[in-house]
Amino acid sequence: AQSVTQPDIHITVSEGASLELRCNYSYGATPYLFWYVQSPGQGLQLLLKYFSGDTLVQGIKGFEAEFKRSQSSFNLRKPSVHWSDAAEYFCAVGAYAGNKLTFGGGTRVLVKP
Amino acid sequence: DVKVTQSSRYLVKRTGEKVFLECVQDMDHENMFWYRQDPGLGLRLIYFSYDVKMKEKGDIPEGYSVSREKKERFSLILESASTNQTSMYLCASSESSTKDYGYTFGSGTRLTVV
Repeated sequence: AQSVTQPDIHITVSEGASLELRCNYSYGATPYLFWYVQSPGQGLQLLLKYFSGDTLVQGIKGFEAEFKRSQSSFNLRKPSVHWSDAAEYFCAVGAYAGNKLTFGGGTRVLVKP
Repeated sequence: DVKVTQSSRYLVKRTGEKVFLECVQDMDHENMFWYRQDPGLGLRLIYFSYDVKMKEKGDIPEGYSVSREKKERFSLILESASTNQTSMYLCASSESSTKDYGYTFGSGTRLTVV
């Protein structure tokens, strides 16, 4: 069975600093990987996705993620955080496009002025 | 844009009531999903459907059922609501083909069972 672990429940970062959110997955074959963001009171929005090709994926809002098969990881990064990036971030894995997704527990990001 | 609409943003129900949560999508997606979201647990899959009148259990189906009579509508039913079903419920849809990826989510229904 597929599973996702996000080791950090909360992260606090200063505005303008870099951000990295960790995601480790368990899946027997090549996974489809996703990062979603949920702003307070909002639904989930897709940030980026990976399913093949270049292991460094660019997404919206200046985010990127790197797929590392040897480490079973798909970490999310942003070079310079803005106050509007305060939100909860979810990593997810699926077997193929459109298939059911398994989500991690989420990482809540707080941005200090 | 794909729209996934959940009929209620907030609901308060009494223990033992039968509760219906409705979800409608307008992009002719084959797949529809119901998740519940709880702090620290992320999103957990309750039920999903790949086609009309078809349903499959997710990871936590106990105490829930679903109905998909039309392609655009996927209903989640709490047969007899209990306080441990107090949660945020999220509906999502996606295409079956490999031309699209990921889900489109509704805004969620926050259900409180008292």
